[in-house]
Amino acid sequence: DAKTTQPPSMDCAEGRAANLPCNHSTISGNEYVYWYRQIHSQGPQYIIHGLKNNETNEMASLIITEDRKSSTLILPHATLRDTAVYYCIVSNNNDMRFGAGTRLTVKP
Amino acid sequence: GAVVSQHPSWVICKSGTSVKIECRSLDFQATTMFWYRQFPKQSLMLMATSNEGSKATYEQGVEKDKFLINHASLTLSTLTVTSAHPEDSSFYICSARDGVRGGVPGNTIYFGEGSWLTVV
Repeated sequence: DAKTTQPPSMDCAEGRAANLPCNHSTISGNEYVYWYRQIHSQGPQYIIHGLKNNETNEMASLIITEDRKSSTLILPHATLRDTAVYYCIVSNNNDMRFGAGTRLTVKP
Repeated sequence: GAVVSQHPSWVICKSGTSVKIECRSLDFQATTMFWYRQFPKQSLMLMATSNEGSKATYEQGVEKDKFLINHASLTLSTLTVTSAHPEDSSFYICSARDGVRGGVPGNTIYFGEGSWLTVV
């Protein structure tokens, strides 16, 4: 069973920042927070992951709260191509279990 | 990012036959690979975890004799759906964890493009 809770859907205006929340209140000390996204009929695409520090790469930023019970994925300037289902997963790398994710729709 | 490739991308087979799906890590050694299936409008469901050179660990409810998984090398895992039936029609996805680097287990998992199986 997934250990994360995400809103089922969100909308975002093109060019604006998309902030996708995730709750993982039962996360263990050795578990990472991963974010993937899945565009229709494709395999999930890796976005970013972190343990306790905030992380940034060319795709997104990951903000993890100090108690690690929640996190936010930030897409700084959303484009129409960012429309997808975004999955937040906590894992110690022994397995990767998906919840329902958040369907992000970027609108013109 | 690392590349995981699946083959075939889509396959149609007759009921009662077996079909094999390959999952390859193209630019890294994958000590662990995972297999998922996904039905339309649903999330990915983990089927099994395989470690190179050992037997796969199957999730509860997944028949190991029906879904044969082989992870014979650090770059290849295969999923064979035996005696396929129409209810086995689904999107099958593999993922691979990048291996040991400098003695430290990798902690990024990359997914393949998925394989559509249709059993008629």
